[in-house]
Amino acid sequence: DGGITQSPKYLFRKEGQNVTLSCEQNLNHDAMYWYRQDPGQGLRLIYYSQIVNDFQKGDIAEGYSVSREKKESFPLTVTSAQKNPTAFYLCASNGRTGNTGELFFGEGSRLTVL
Amino acid sequence: SQKIEQNSEALNIQEGKTATLTCNYTNYSPAYLQWYRQDPGRGPVFLLLIRENEKEKRKERLKVTFDTTLKQSLFHITASQPADSATYLCAPMNTGFQKLVFGTGTRLLVSP
Repeated sequence: DGGITQSPKYLFRKEGQNVTLSCEQNLNHDAMYWYRQDPGQGLRLIYYSQIVNDFQKGDIAEGYSVSREKKESFPLTVTSAQKNPTAFYLCASNGRTGNTGELFFGEGSRLTVL
Repeated sequence: SQKIEQNSEALNIQEGKTATLTCNYTNYSPAYLQWYRQDPGRGPVFLLLIRENEKEKRKERLKVTFDTTLKQSLFHITASQPADSATYLCAPMNTGFQKLVFGTGTRLLVSP
Protein backbone atom coordinates (compact mmCIF):
# COMPACT_ATOMS: atom_id res chain seq x y z
CA ASP A 1 0.00 0.00 0.00
CA GLY A 2 1.21 3.49 -0.82
CA GLY A 3 1.46 5.97 1.99
CA ILE A 4 3.53 7.86 4.48
CA THR A 5 5.21 6.20 7.43
CA GLN A 6 6.33 8.13 10.46
CA SER A 7 8.40 6.70 13.26
CA PRO A 8 8.54 6.45 16.13
CA LYS A 9 4.91 6.97 17.09
CA TYR A 10 5.86 7.96 20.63
CA LEU A 11 9.18 9.38 21.74
CA PHE A 12 10.51 10.61 25.04
CA ARG A 13 13.62 12.65 25.41
CA LYS A 14 15.46 14.47 28.10
CA GLU A 15 16.04 18.17 27.93
CA GLY A 16 19.16 19.05 25.99
CA GLN A 17 19.01 16.04 23.70
CA ASN A 18 18.52 16.14 19.96
CA VAL A 19 16.01 13.73 18.49
CA THR A 20 15.27 12.76 14.88
CA LEU A 21 11.81 11.88 13.59
CA SER A 22 11.59 9.73 10.52
CA CYS A 23 9.25 10.27 7.58
CA GLU A 24 9.20 7.95 4.54
CA GLN A 25 6.79 7.99 1.60
CA ASN A 26 6.33 5.59 -1.32
CA LEU A 27 3.88 7.77 -3.22
CA ASN A 28 6.54 9.16 -5.56
CA HIS A 29 5.66 12.66 -4.37
CA ASP A 30 8.04 15.54 -4.92
CA ALA A 31 6.91 17.73 -2.05
CA MET A 32 7.11 16.90 1.64
CA TYR A 33 6.18 18.88 4.73
CA TRP A 34 6.59 18.86 8.50
CA TYR A 35 3.90 20.32 10.75
CA ARG A 36 3.67 20.71 14.47
CA GLN A 37 0.37 20.50 16.36
CA ASP A 38 -0.13 21.52 19.99
CA PRO A 39 -3.19 20.50 22.03
CA GLY A 40 -6.31 22.28 20.82
CA GLN A 41 -4.40 24.13 18.14
CA GLY A 42 -4.04 23.94 14.41
CA LEU A 43 -1.14 22.76 12.31
CA ARG A 44 1.90 25.00 12.09
CA LEU A 45 4.40 24.54 9.28
CA ILE A 46 7.99 23.83 10.32
CA TYR A 47 9.80 23.01 7.06
CA TYR A 48 8.90 21.96 3.57
CA SER A 49 10.73 20.57 0.58
CA GLN A 50 9.70 20.84 -3.05
CA ILE A 51 12.40 18.60 -4.44
CA VAL A 52 15.39 16.51 -3.43
CA ASN A 53 18.28 18.49 -1.93
CA ASP A 54 16.13 21.57 -1.44
CA PHE A 55 14.01 22.72 1.49
CA GLN A 56 12.58 25.95 2.91
CA LYS A 57 11.71 27.19 6.36
CA GLY A 58 8.09 27.35 7.34
CA ASP A 59 6.57 29.56 10.01
CA ILE A 60 8.25 28.00 13.06
CA ALA A 61 11.60 26.60 11.88
CA GLU A 62 13.71 27.78 14.82
CA GLY A 63 15.16 24.85 16.77
CA TYR A 64 14.51 22.35 13.97
CA SER A 65 16.54 21.02 11.07
CA VAL A 66 15.75 18.80 8.09
CA SER A 67 17.43 17.09 5.17
CA ARG A 68 16.14 15.83 1.82
CA GLU A 69 18.78 13.53 0.39
CA LYS A 70 16.26 11.12 -1.11
CA LYS A 71 12.87 11.68 -2.65
CA GLU A 72 11.27 9.18 -0.28
CA SER A 73 12.68 10.54 2.95
CA PHE A 74 12.39 13.82 4.88
CA PRO A 75 13.68 13.41 8.46
CA LEU A 76 13.15 16.13 11.05
CA THR A 77 15.63 16.77 13.86
CA VAL A 78 14.35 18.52 16.95
CA THR A 79 17.40 20.15 18.46
CA SER A 80 18.10 21.23 22.00
CA ALA A 81 17.59 24.80 20.81
CA GLN A 82 13.85 24.18 20.46
CA LYS A 83 12.41 25.64 23.66
CA ASN A 84 9.08 23.80 23.76
CA PRO A 85 9.52 20.61 21.77
CA THR A 86 6.71 18.60 23.38
CA ALA A 87 4.11 18.32 20.62
CA PHE A 88 2.50 16.12 17.98
CA TYR A 89 4.52 16.15 14.75
CA LEU A 90 2.95 15.40 11.40
CA CYS A 91 4.67 14.68 8.11
CA ALA A 92 2.84 15.09 4.79
CA SER A 93 3.50 14.89 1.08
CA ASN A 94 1.87 15.84 -2.19
CA GLY A 95 2.61 15.52 -5.88
CA ARG A 96 3.28 18.59 -8.01
CA THR A 97 2.00 17.82 -11.46
CA GLY A 98 -1.58 17.38 -12.59
CA ASN A 99 -3.10 17.35 -9.16
CA THR A 100 -4.80 19.72 -6.79
CA GLY A 101 -2.31 19.72 -3.99
CA GLU A 102 -4.09 17.22 -1.75
CA LEU A 103 -1.86 16.42 1.20
CA PHE A 104 -1.32 12.89 2.41
CA PHE A 105 -0.41 12.74 6.08
CA GLY A 106 1.38 10.19 8.19
CA GLU A 107 0.00 9.02 11.52
CA GLY A 108 2.17 11.41 13.49
CA SER A 109 4.90 11.22 16.10
CA ARG A 110 4.22 12.39 19.62
CA LEU A 111 7.32 13.80 21.29
CA THR A 112 7.45 14.36 25.05
CA VAL A 113 10.35 16.09 26.74
CA LEU A 114 10.87 14.95 30.31
CA SER B 1 -0.85 39.13 7.18
CA GLN B 2 -2.69 36.07 5.94
CA LYS B 3 -5.22 34.68 8.34
CA ILE B 4 -7.53 31.68 8.35
CA GLU B 5 -10.31 31.60 10.91
CA GLN B 6 -12.41 28.67 11.97
CA ASN B 7 -14.71 28.61 14.96
CA SER B 8 -12.56 27.46 17.86
CA GLU B 9 -15.57 26.44 19.92
CA ALA B 10 -16.84 22.91 19.45
CA LEU B 11 -20.04 22.47 17.51
CA ASN B 12 -22.51 20.15 19.22
CA ILE B 13 -25.41 18.80 17.20
CA GLN B 14 -27.85 15.95 17.33
CA GLU B 15 -27.67 12.93 15.08
CA GLY B 16 -29.61 13.42 11.86
CA LYS B 17 -29.19 17.20 11.78
CA THR B 18 -27.03 19.15 9.35
CA ALA B 19 -23.72 20.43 10.66
CA THR B 20 -22.34 23.64 9.16
CA LEU B 21 -18.75 24.70 9.73
CA THR B 22 -17.25 28.01 8.65
CA CYS B 23 -13.86 28.94 7.25
CA ASN B 24 -13.05 32.64 6.80
CA TYR B 25 -9.81 33.90 5.33
CA THR B 26 -8.17 37.28 4.94
CA ASN B 27 -5.31 38.49 2.75
CA TYR B 28 -5.66 35.44 0.55
CA SER B 29 -6.84 35.07 -3.01
CA PRO B 30 -7.08 31.31 -3.12
CA ALA B 31 -7.67 29.42 -6.31
CA TYR B 32 -8.73 26.40 -4.29
CA LEU B 33 -9.82 25.54 -0.80
CA GLN B 34 -9.42 22.15 0.81
CA TRP B 35 -11.18 20.53 3.74
CA TYR B 36 -9.70 17.81 5.93
CA ARG B 37 -10.93 15.65 8.76
CA GLN B 38 -8.74 14.86 11.77
CA ASP B 39 -9.48 12.28 14.45
CA PRO B 40 -7.74 12.51 17.85
CA GLY B 41 -4.15 11.34 17.70
CA ARG B 42 -4.26 10.79 13.93
CA GLY B 43 -3.10 12.66 10.85
CA PRO B 44 -5.65 14.71 8.88
CA VAL B 45 -7.40 13.07 5.95
CA PHE B 46 -8.37 14.96 2.81
CA LEU B 47 -12.11 15.25 2.18
CA LEU B 48 -12.92 17.75 -0.54
CA LEU B 49 -11.44 20.44 -2.72
CA ILE B 50 -13.39 23.29 -4.26
CA ARG B 51 -12.10 25.63 -6.95
CA GLU B 52 -12.68 29.38 -7.02
CA ASN B 53 -14.96 29.07 -10.05
CA GLU B 54 -17.13 26.46 -8.33
CA LYS B 55 -19.86 27.74 -6.06
CA GLU B 56 -20.61 24.36 -4.58
CA LYS B 57 -19.15 20.86 -4.43
CA ARG B 58 -20.78 17.70 -3.12
CA LYS B 59 -19.54 14.31 -2.08
CA GLU B 60 -22.02 11.90 -0.53
CA ARG B 61 -23.31 13.66 2.62
CA LEU B 62 -20.75 16.46 2.37
CA LYS B 63 -21.27 19.81 0.70
CA VAL B 64 -18.80 22.66 0.44
CA THR B 65 -19.46 26.19 -0.77
CA PHE B 66 -16.90 28.80 -1.70
CA ASP B 67 -17.71 32.53 -1.78
CA THR B 68 -14.68 34.49 -2.95
CA THR B 69 -16.49 37.79 -2.40
CA LEU B 70 -17.18 37.03 1.26
CA LYS B 71 -13.84 35.21 1.53
CA GLN B 72 -15.60 32.31 3.12
CA SER B 73 -16.16 28.59 2.71
CA LEU B 74 -18.94 26.64 4.38
CA PHE B 75 -18.70 22.91 5.03
CA HIS B 76 -21.95 21.01 5.53
CA ILE B 77 -22.55 17.46 6.71
CA THR B 78 -26.12 16.38 6.17
CA ALA B 79 -27.83 13.61 8.15
CA SER B 80 -24.94 13.73 10.60
CA GLN B 81 -23.89 10.62 12.50
CA PRO B 82 -21.85 10.12 15.69
CA ALA B 83 -19.07 8.77 13.47
CA ASP B 84 -18.78 12.24 11.94
CA SER B 85 -17.45 13.53 15.26
CA ALA B 86 -13.96 14.86 14.56
CA THR B 87 -12.06 18.08 13.97
CA TYR B 88 -12.44 19.62 10.53
CA LEU B 89 -9.69 21.79 9.05
CA CYS B 90 -9.77 24.12 6.08
CA ALA B 91 -6.79 25.13 3.92
CA PRO B 92 -7.02 27.80 1.23
CA MET B 93 -4.40 27.51 -1.49
CA ASN B 94 -3.15 29.47 -4.48
CA THR B 95 -2.27 28.05 -7.87
CA GLY B 96 1.12 26.52 -8.33
CA PHE B 97 3.31 24.99 -5.70
CA GLN B 98 3.14 26.58 -2.31
CA LYS B 99 3.28 25.84 1.34
CA LEU B 100 -0.10 24.83 2.65
CA VAL B 101 -1.43 26.65 5.70
CA PHE B 102 -4.34 25.36 7.73
CA GLY B 103 -7.00 26.91 9.88
CA THR B 104 -7.11 25.95 13.55
CA GLY B 105 -10.00 23.57 12.93
CA THR B 106 -13.47 23.19 14.39
CA ARG B 107 -14.38 20.22 16.54
CA LEU B 108 -17.71 18.64 15.70
CA LEU B 109 -19.55 16.47 18.24
CA VAL B 110 -22.60 14.56 17.04
CA SER B 111 -24.73 13.08 19.79
CA PRO B 112 -26.95 10.02 19.31
